[in-house]
Amino acid sequence: NAGVTQTPKFRILKIGQSMTLQCTQDMNHNYMYWYRQDPGMGLKLIYYSVGAGITDKGEVPNGYNVSRSTTEDFPLRLELAAPSQTSVYFCASSEGRKNTEAFFGQGTRLTVV
Amino acid sequence: AQKVTQAQTEISVVEKEDVTLDCVYETRDTTYYLFWYKQPPSGELVFLIRRNSFDEQNEISGRYSWNFQKSTSSFNFTITASIVVDSAVYFCALATYNQGGKLIFGQGTELSVKP
Repeated sequence: NAGVTQTPKFRILKIGQSMTLQCTQDMNHNYMYWYRQDPGMGLKLIYYSVGAGITDKGEVPNGYNVSRSTTEDFPLRLELAAPSQTSVYFCASSEGRKNTEAFFGQGTRLTVV
Repeated sequence: AQKVTQAQTEISVVEKEDVTLDCVYETRDTTYYLFWYKQPPSGELVFLIRRNSFDEQNEISGRYSWNFQKSTSSFNFTITASIVVDSAVYFCALATYNQGGKLIFGQGTELSVKP
């Protein structure tokens, strides 16, 4: 049972670099989410998707992009990394509106220097 | 607007003490779901419980219990006879049907259980 798999687990980026955080799930969930967790804070929603080909902004989308070409994959793209994007990123998935239990990946710890 | 407030930032107890973590939520939706997650020092998020807005029954699971009161918009979590491995950050979260199941998290309560 893989569940939700995120890669990489850790990454250090230089200011202005770009990278893609990978997320894949094997539960055939329609809904997928990206959250960020800053130190001492709760999780904030960056982007979410209710199915392949459909994405929408969450609370803190600036500086990020997403795509959802398949049900399984939901990558998060940082185009021009900034120190403010230093955070722990969590990907999650759920069945949808009626079964909202979200299954989380292990997280990606990103540092921008 | 949806909001979750965990007023206790940090709590420190000694082993075997009982501890209650408070959670207050705000939503105008009538169909919603409340969650508690545990985040141990290793960083992953561990699902503990989900309750829907139509089920106000309290729940007990081993040393854990949850008290859901719609009248006060609260969903409090009690750990009985705490042990060191209960030390973690605990998050309360809210999802509503009309918002597509997106989780809104509180800021978390860091629980430290000392031997």
